Amino acid sequence: GAVVSQHPSWVICKSGTSVKIECRSLDFQATTMFWYRQFPKQSLMLMATSNEGSKATYEQGVEKDKFLINHASLTLSTLTVTSAHPEDSSFYICSASSGTGVEGYTFGSGTRLTVV
Amino acid sequence: AQSVAQPEDQVNVAEGNPLTVKCTYSVSGNPYLFWYVQYPNRGLQFLLKYITGDNLVKGSYGFEAEFNKSQTSFHLKKPSALVSDSALYFCAVRDIRIFQKLVFGTGTRLLVSP
Repeated sequence: GAVVSQHPSWVICKSGTSVKIECRSLDFQATTMFWYRQFPKQSLMLMATSNEGSKATYEQGVEKDKFLINHASLTLSTLTVTSAHPEDSSFYICSASSGTGVEGYTFGSGTRLTVV
Repeated sequence: AQSVAQPEDQVNVAEGNPLTVKCTYSVSGNPYLFWYVQYPNRGLQFLLKYITGDNLVKGSYGFEAEFNKSQTSFHLKKPSALVSDSALYFCAVRDIRIFQKLVFGTGTRLLVSP
């Protein structure tokens, strides 16, 4: 079945530094990728939707300059948290859609980001 | 706007007993409904989906869900719970008219006791 690989699975960084999270579709072409953020004991909050070769569409309230999303190929999307602060600490999850009807979405295993 | 509601933060059930995790939806047009399960520090795993057809949908790991249009519900069920079913369960709905986004419920934690 479809597999999405997300790396790293966890990362600790210092305040003010940037962190890049990668999301790769391993055996299918992902026309659309989604980035979610999940706070402890809460649901997933959609941050942005990215389509290959075009700018990401950010949800209301999400700072596009802080959370940079790049979807340069049909198998790779990256989320870069720029100038990270402790409040950015969270669990980030990507998902990918091949866009072929309603066959659904495959999720990565998530990245636990801790900013100290 | 489309939405799903999971009215229970937590469901407790004894191993071997049937379980139900509730979900109701609100969407204009035909609902595309999903159930996902999340284990600690992991991404979401697909359980099942309803697009059209039979109201009873069978999915992974022995789970099934019943689509009820009149009650706008899509409850997740399993005849006999296992301790290993303990996890966080999310109901989601997709509106195909809006960038194919998934809107998730708040999640229900299932705790199956031995």
